Amino acid sequence: DTAVSQTPKYLVTQMGNDKSIKCEQNLGHDTMYWYKQDSKKFLKIMFSYNNKELIINETVPNRFSPKSPDKAHLNLHINSLELGDSAVYFCASRALAGGANTGELFFGEGSRLTVL
Amino acid sequence: AQSVTQPDIHITVSEGASLELRCNYSYGATPYLFWYVQSPGQGLQLLLKYFSGDTLVQGIKGFEAEFKRSQSSFNLRKPSVHWSDAAEYFCAVGGTNRDDKIIFGKGTRLHILP
Repeated sequence: DTAVSQTPKYLVTQMGNDKSIKCEQNLGHDTMYWYKQDSKKFLKIMFSYNNKELIINETVPNRFSPKSPDKAHLNLHINSLELGDSAVYFCASRALAGGANTGELFFGEGSRLTVL
Repeated sequence: AQSVTQPDIHITVSEGASLELRCNYSYGATPYLFWYVQSPGQGLQLLLKYFSGDTLVQGIKGFEAEFKRSQSSFNLRKPSVHWSDAAEYFCAVGGTNRDDKIIFGKGTRLHILP
């Protein structure tokens, strides 16, 4: 019973295409995130949503558009893909109040995007 | 500004030897500190965290970390490493307000010699 699940796990696509990654968490958390991990393993925060509201929007090209239809889901749509978008994209969630696990991020297994 | 520094990109230790991974942070308020481990092709798993209280925290897999406010450090230790500990280790800092970010260091790759 996976806590944070992402699909697809792998995407291989051509430059200029559009792609989406979906994320779902069954932990009851109120906050979800997208992180990008580059080839050097550096993890950079991209977006966060709290109860479906966009809270953090880092300096990310507007080709990237997150959407949160409800608290348990956060999707990432990328338009006009470029070579530099190749990376592993991680979804994460956390609770901000109450409980022993407050504050810690729970990660999905990542979605490896390769742009050719 | 919020930042995390892991000064060692790679560390190699022999199986059974002790381990210390360094982490220094910069944060404007009381920090919430984390260590995560990432095995190849996997997501990140929490090893331990510090929010408040005892500055020596115990985690999973026999790891511990010590928060030293005066040195802005949160170093990870293990008394005896196992071959299965070979992985990438990330230190992270942040808060728990809705607009707080969890910022990660660049990671330390741990190699284990048989």
